[in-house]
Amino acid sequence: DADVTQTPRNRITKTGKRIMLECSQTKGHDRMYWYRQDPGLGLRLIYYSFDVKDINKGEISDGYSVSRQAQAKFSLSLESAIPNQTALYFCATSDLGGVGTDTQYFGPGTRLTVL
Amino acid sequence: GEDVEQSLFLSVREGDSSVINCTYTDSSSTYLYWYKQEPGAGLQLLTYIFSNMDMKQDQRLTVLLNKKDKHLSLRIADTQTGDSAIYFCAVTPGVGGSQGNLIFGKGTKLSVKP
Repeated sequence: DADVTQTPRNRITKTGKRIMLECSQTKGHDRMYWYRQDPGLGLRLIYYSFDVKDINKGEISDGYSVSRQAQAKFSLSLESAIPNQTALYFCATSDLGGVGTDTQYFGPGTRLTVL
Repeated sequence: GEDVEQSLFLSVREGDSSVINCTYTDSSSTYLYWYKQEPGAGLQLLTYIFSNMDMKQDQRLTVLLNKKDKHLSLRIADTQTGDSAIYFCAVTPGVGGSQGNLIFGKGTKLSVKP
Protein backbone atom coordinates (compact mmCIF):
# COMPACT_ATOMS: atom_id res chain seq x y z
CA ASP A 1 0.00 0.00 0.00
CA ALA A 2 1.13 3.53 -0.73
CA ASP A 3 2.58 5.43 2.21
CA VAL A 4 1.27 8.80 1.02
CA THR A 5 -2.14 8.91 -0.64
CA GLN A 6 -4.00 11.77 -2.23
CA THR A 7 -7.66 12.11 -3.10
CA PRO A 8 -9.03 12.78 -5.59
CA ARG A 9 -6.45 11.89 -8.25
CA ASN A 10 -8.20 14.02 -10.85
CA ARG A 11 -10.72 16.80 -10.51
CA ILE A 12 -12.38 19.16 -12.93
CA THR A 13 -14.24 22.09 -11.45
CA LYS A 14 -15.60 25.50 -12.37
CA THR A 15 -14.39 28.97 -11.49
CA GLY A 16 -15.64 30.09 -8.08
CA LYS A 17 -16.19 26.62 -6.66
CA ARG A 18 -14.67 25.51 -3.36
CA ILE A 19 -12.38 22.52 -3.68
CA MET A 20 -10.64 20.38 -1.07
CA LEU A 21 -7.72 18.09 -1.81
CA GLU A 22 -6.87 15.53 0.81
CA CYS A 23 -3.64 13.85 1.81
CA SER A 24 -3.13 10.94 4.16
CA GLN A 25 0.09 9.23 5.22
CA THR A 26 0.95 6.06 7.06
CA LYS A 27 4.64 6.87 7.48
CA GLY A 28 4.19 8.34 10.94
CA HIS A 29 5.90 11.56 9.87
CA ASP A 30 5.30 14.82 11.66
CA ARG A 31 5.94 17.11 8.71
CA MET A 32 3.61 17.48 5.75
CA TYR A 33 3.72 19.72 2.69
CA TRP A 34 1.61 20.84 -0.24
CA TYR A 35 3.24 21.74 -3.57
CA ARG A 36 1.94 22.64 -6.97
CA GLN A 37 3.70 21.74 -10.20
CA ASP A 38 3.32 23.73 -13.38
CA PRO A 39 5.10 22.91 -16.64
CA GLY A 40 8.49 24.60 -16.77
CA LEU A 41 8.18 25.97 -13.23
CA GLY A 42 9.10 22.93 -11.17
CA LEU A 43 7.58 22.51 -7.74
CA ARG A 44 6.48 25.45 -5.65
CA LEU A 45 5.61 25.17 -1.98
CA ILE A 46 2.11 26.27 -0.98
CA TYR A 47 1.90 25.41 2.73
CA TYR A 48 3.72 23.20 5.17
CA SER A 49 3.05 21.88 8.64
CA PHE A 50 5.68 20.68 11.11
CA ASP A 51 3.09 19.23 13.46
CA VAL A 52 -0.64 19.38 14.08
CA LYS A 53 -0.49 22.83 15.65
CA ASP A 54 2.11 24.33 13.34
CA ILE A 55 1.05 25.62 9.93
CA ASN A 56 3.25 27.80 7.75
CA LYS A 57 2.81 29.61 4.48
CA GLY A 58 5.04 28.67 1.61
CA GLU A 59 6.08 30.52 -1.50
CA ILE A 60 2.61 30.75 -3.09
CA SER A 61 -0.06 30.53 -0.38
CA ASP A 62 -2.44 33.20 -1.72
CA GLY A 63 -5.79 31.69 -2.72
CA TYR A 64 -5.17 28.52 -0.68
CA SER A 65 -5.81 27.38 2.87
CA VAL A 66 -4.90 24.20 4.73
CA SER A 67 -6.06 22.15 7.65
CA ARG A 68 -4.01 19.62 9.62
CA GLN A 69 -6.73 17.44 11.07
CA ALA A 70 -4.37 14.88 12.56
CA GLN A 71 -0.75 13.85 12.30
CA ALA A 72 -1.67 11.68 9.33
CA LYS A 73 -3.95 14.08 7.46
CA PHE A 74 -3.30 17.39 5.74
CA SER A 75 -5.87 18.93 3.43
CA LEU A 76 -5.57 21.79 0.96
CA SER A 77 -8.55 24.01 0.11
CA LEU A 78 -9.16 26.40 -2.71
CA GLU A 79 -11.90 28.65 -1.37
CA SER A 80 -12.87 30.05 -4.76
CA ALA A 81 -11.06 28.27 -7.56
CA ILE A 82 -9.73 30.24 -10.52
CA PRO A 83 -8.34 28.95 -13.84
CA ASN A 84 -4.70 29.77 -13.03
CA GLN A 85 -4.92 27.28 -10.17
CA THR A 86 -5.07 24.54 -12.79
CA ALA A 87 -2.02 22.44 -11.94
CA LEU A 88 -0.71 19.18 -10.54
CA TYR A 89 -0.77 19.21 -6.74
CA PHE A 90 1.52 17.08 -4.62
CA CYS A 91 1.48 16.26 -0.95
CA ALA A 92 4.72 15.23 0.73
CA THR A 93 5.82 14.12 4.18
CA SER A 94 9.12 14.13 6.03
CA ASP A 95 10.52 13.23 9.39
CA LEU A 96 13.33 15.29 10.84
CA GLY A 97 16.11 12.96 11.81
CA GLY A 98 15.15 10.31 9.30
CA VAL A 99 17.17 9.26 6.31
CA GLY A 100 18.76 12.53 5.29
CA THR A 101 17.44 15.50 7.17
CA ASP A 102 13.93 16.16 5.92
CA THR A 103 13.97 13.69 3.07
CA GLN A 104 10.54 14.21 1.57
CA TYR A 105 8.29 11.43 0.31
CA PHE A 106 5.66 12.35 -2.22
CA GLY A 107 2.13 11.27 -2.94
CA PRO A 108 1.00 10.42 -6.49
CA GLY A 109 -0.47 13.86 -7.14
CA THR A 110 -3.87 15.36 -7.87
CA ARG A 111 -4.50 16.84 -11.29
CA LEU A 112 -6.85 19.80 -10.87
CA THR A 113 -8.45 21.60 -13.79
CA VAL A 114 -10.41 24.80 -13.19
CA LEU A 115 -12.64 25.81 -16.10
CA GLY B 1 16.94 33.10 -1.16
CA GLU B 2 18.41 29.89 -2.44
CA ASP B 3 18.20 29.27 -6.15
CA VAL B 4 18.56 25.87 -7.83
CA GLU B 5 19.17 25.68 -11.57
CA GLN B 6 18.99 22.77 -13.99
CA SER B 7 18.94 22.39 -17.72
CA LEU B 8 15.42 21.65 -18.90
CA PHE B 9 16.17 18.88 -21.41
CA LEU B 10 18.67 16.09 -22.04
CA SER B 11 18.55 13.49 -24.79
CA VAL B 12 20.75 10.38 -24.89
CA ARG B 13 20.89 7.05 -26.70
CA GLU B 14 20.08 3.82 -24.93
CA GLY B 15 23.20 2.32 -23.41
CA ASP B 16 25.04 5.63 -23.11
CA SER B 17 25.67 7.43 -19.85
CA SER B 18 23.51 10.39 -18.88
CA VAL B 19 24.77 13.27 -16.81
CA ILE B 20 22.24 15.67 -15.32
CA ASN B 21 23.66 18.80 -13.78
CA CYS B 22 22.43 21.13 -11.07
CA THR B 23 23.82 24.30 -9.55
CA TYR B 24 22.72 25.95 -6.34
CA THR B 25 23.57 29.19 -4.66
CA ASP B 26 23.79 28.58 -0.93
CA SER B 27 26.99 26.81 0.06
CA SER B 28 25.61 26.03 3.53
CA SER B 29 22.98 23.64 2.16
CA THR B 30 23.50 20.37 3.99
CA TYR B 31 21.54 17.72 2.09
CA LEU B 32 21.14 17.51 -1.67
CA TYR B 33 18.66 15.21 -3.35
CA TRP B 34 17.74 13.74 -6.69
CA TYR B 35 14.12 12.87 -7.38
CA LYS B 36 12.67 11.14 -10.43
CA GLN B 37 9.20 11.81 -11.82
CA GLU B 38 7.84 9.40 -14.38
CA PRO B 39 4.92 10.50 -16.58
CA GLY B 40 1.69 10.75 -14.59
CA ALA B 41 3.39 9.89 -11.32
CA GLY B 42 4.63 11.57 -8.18
CA LEU B 43 8.23 12.23 -7.26
CA GLN B 44 10.32 9.26 -6.29
CA LEU B 45 13.43 9.75 -4.17
CA LEU B 46 16.43 8.39 -6.09
CA THR B 47 19.33 9.28 -3.87
CA TYR B 48 20.76 11.99 -1.69
CA ILE B 49 24.18 13.19 -0.62
CA PHE B 50 25.35 14.95 2.49
CA SER B 51 27.40 18.07 1.94
CA ASN B 52 30.58 16.62 3.48
CA MET B 53 30.72 13.96 0.75
CA ASP B 54 32.16 14.29 -2.74
CA MET B 55 30.63 11.25 -4.31
CA LYS B 56 28.00 8.64 -3.71
CA GLN B 57 27.40 5.58 -5.86
CA ASP B 58 24.32 3.42 -5.86
CA GLN B 59 24.21 0.76 -8.61
CA ARG B 60 23.89 2.67 -11.91
CA LEU B 61 23.65 6.04 -10.20
CA THR B 62 26.62 8.21 -9.27
CA VAL B 63 26.19 11.53 -7.53
CA LEU B 64 29.07 14.00 -7.62
CA LEU B 65 29.18 17.08 -5.44
CA ASN B 66 31.57 19.96 -6.02
CA LYS B 67 30.91 22.09 -3.00
CA LYS B 68 33.36 24.79 -4.04
CA ASP B 69 31.52 25.35 -7.31
CA LYS B 70 28.11 24.53 -5.79
CA HIS B 71 27.55 21.97 -8.48
CA LEU B 72 25.75 18.66 -8.17
CA SER B 73 25.48 16.03 -10.86
CA LEU B 74 23.69 12.75 -11.36
CA ARG B 75 25.25 10.20 -13.69
CA ILE B 76 23.16 7.29 -14.91
CA ALA B 77 25.25 4.52 -16.40
CA ASP B 78 23.90 2.33 -19.22
CA THR B 79 20.81 4.49 -19.62
CA GLN B 80 17.65 2.57 -20.47
CA THR B 81 14.36 3.68 -21.99
CA GLY B 82 12.80 3.19 -18.56
CA ASP B 83 15.02 5.99 -17.28
CA SER B 84 13.07 8.49 -19.38
CA ALA B 85 11.57 10.87 -16.83
CA ILE B 86 11.96 14.30 -15.29
CA TYR B 87 14.77 14.51 -12.76
CA PHE B 88 14.61 17.11 -10.01
CA CYS B 89 17.51 18.40 -7.99
CA ALA B 90 16.54 19.62 -4.51
CA VAL B 91 18.57 21.07 -1.66
CA THR B 92 17.92 21.90 1.95
CA PRO B 93 18.08 25.62 2.65
CA GLY B 94 21.25 26.94 4.14
CA VAL B 95 21.78 28.84 7.33
CA GLY B 96 19.10 31.51 7.63
CA GLY B 97 16.76 29.74 5.28
CA SER B 98 13.41 28.29 6.25
CA GLN B 99 14.47 25.01 7.79
CA GLY B 100 12.51 21.94 6.95
CA ASN B 101 11.82 22.92 3.38
CA LEU B 102 13.42 21.76 0.18
CA ILE B 103 14.30 24.06 -2.68
CA PHE B 104 13.64 22.37 -6.01
CA GLY B 105 15.07 22.99 -9.42
CA LYS B 106 12.68 23.13 -12.36
CA GLY B 107 13.55 19.62 -13.45
CA THR B 108 15.48 18.09 -16.35
CA LYS B 109 13.50 16.02 -18.80
CA LEU B 110 15.60 13.03 -19.85
CA SER B 111 14.65 11.41 -23.15
CA VAL B 112 16.28 8.09 -24.00
CA LYS B 113 16.29 7.12 -27.66
CA PRO B 114 16.48 3.43 -28.59
